[in-house]
Amino acid sequence: DVKVTQSSRYLVKRTGEKVFLECVQDMDHENMFWYRQDPGLGLRLIYFSYDVKMKEKGDIPEGYSVSREKKERFSLILESASTNQTSMYLCASSLTGEGYGYTFGSGTRLTVV
Amino acid sequence: GENVEQHPSTLSVQEGDSAVIKCTYSDSASNYFPWYKQELGKRPQLIIDIRSNVGEKKDQRIAVTLNKTAKHFSLHITETQPEDSAVYFCAASSAGNKLTFGGGTRVLVKP
Repeated sequence: DVKVTQSSRYLVKRTGEKVFLECVQDMDHENMFWYRQDPGLGLRLIYFSYDVKMKEKGDIPEGYSVSREKKERFSLILESASTNQTSMYLCASSLTGEGYGYTFGSGTRLTVV
Repeated sequence: GENVEQHPSTLSVQEGDSAVIKCTYSDSASNYFPWYKQELGKRPQLIIDIRSNVGEKKDQRIAVTLNKTAKHFSLHITETQPEDSAVYFCAASSAGNKLTFGGGTRVLVKP
């Protein structure tokens, strides 16, 4: 069973802090994704990666960056946290190829005060 | 890029009735359409998916239909049960494995 693990379930950070959200998957998936989930807006793609050291901007990359130094780990970085980044953050991974669904992590609920 | 719209945003049904959620997509190149169920406080889980070369797929009480010409697809849940209460997301994928999600439908099954 594929496991996608997000390091924190809940986080509270102050405005202006640098925040790291970590995601690790254990099934050798090539693709990893970061989404944020907000009521009524569904899941919006922040960044994704198809390979180590590779990253691509999603639909809402502003204020975020990512790092993928190892295949199993994909980190989301909030360079200077702001209150409008308060949200649920979901990491997902998948195999490469047509028609592979995602496996999601449990999510990190981030509150920026 | 792809845009996915999902309706309704909330759906309340009586236990035993059917529930239908509809999604439309914009990119005619999209070829993979999964549905995810997210129970309260839990991660989204894939419940069914359909590829563009198939018009309908069924798995027990859930079914998905796809109309490529009209660019819409739907989730049908029959004989709803309280455990079907959750938020459901549709999604579409065109380029690579990147999914674009709809806004979600909160389904409440009333006993």
